Amino acid sequence: DAGVIQSPRHEVTEMGQEVTLRCKPISGHNSLFWYRQTMMRGLELLIYFNNNVPIDDSGMPEDRFSAKMPNASFSTLKIQPSEPRDSAVYFCASSSSGQGPQPQHFGDGTRLSIL
Amino acid sequence: AQSVTQPDIHITVSEGASLELRCNYSYGATPYLFWYVQSPGQGLQLLLKYFSGDTLVQGIKGFEAEFKRSQSSFNLRKPSVHWSDAAEYFCAVVPPDRGSTLGRLYFGRGTQLTVWP
Repeated sequence: DAGVIQSPRHEVTEMGQEVTLRCKPISGHNSLFWYRQTMMRGLELLIYFNNNVPIDDSGMPEDRFSAKMPNASFSTLKIQPSEPRDSAVYFCASSSSGQGPQPQHFGDGTRLSIL
Repeated sequence: AQSVTQPDIHITVSEGASLELRCNYSYGATPYLFWYVQSPGQGLQLLLKYFSGDTLVQGIKGFEAEFKRSQSSFNLRKPSVHWSDAAEYFCAVVPPDRGSTLGRLYFGRGTQLTVWP
C-alpha cells in the first residue's frame, strides 16, 4: 500500500511568494496532521484534521499559514506571504480510527527554503 | 509543565554494542507512549508503542522498550546495534486525558544516534 505522499519534496522560493504544500494521506485514514521540523524548535504540530474537519490549529504560527482538507484524500498547507523563518521541513502524517490513539504514519516531508 | 524529555541529544556507540535511549515524561497519569525513528531525508517511522499491560514491549528492527511507572520512563533498548540503526530517535506521548483517536502527539527533542564501525 502507498504511504503518505507529500509534494513537492523540495521547494526553494523567494520571500513574499505563496507556497503550497500538498499531502495525500493513506487511504482509509481519517485523521491528518501537519508538522514542522526545525533544528531550533524540533517537531511542532501545526494543525490536525479529523474526518476533514480541523480539530486543533493552535500550532499554526500566524495568519500567514492556512490549511485545508477538501476531501478525505487531499490536504494543503499554504503560506502566504512566505518569510525566511518559515524555512523548515514540513511533514504530513495520517492515522486511522481504533481503540485508543492510533500510530501516525508520516510522509517523507517537504524541505522548504525561503530565500 | 507537562512534557516529554529525552536527556541525551547525541549518543555514539560501536556496532555490536548495546544501546539504551532515555525518555521521561511528566504527566500525572500514564500517557500513551511511542518511539519513532527518523532516517536522514525521511519521515518518522513507528518503532513501538505502549498503552497498557506488559511493561516490556517489542518493536520492529529488534528494538524493545520498557515502561517504568516509578521512574516515569520509557527507555528504548537494543541488544546489538547495527550500522543501519544510525538515525534520530523520538519519544512521543499522547497525554492521558486524550485517549481518543483525536489525541495529538507530543514529541521529545530527539536523540541522534551515531554508530561506529
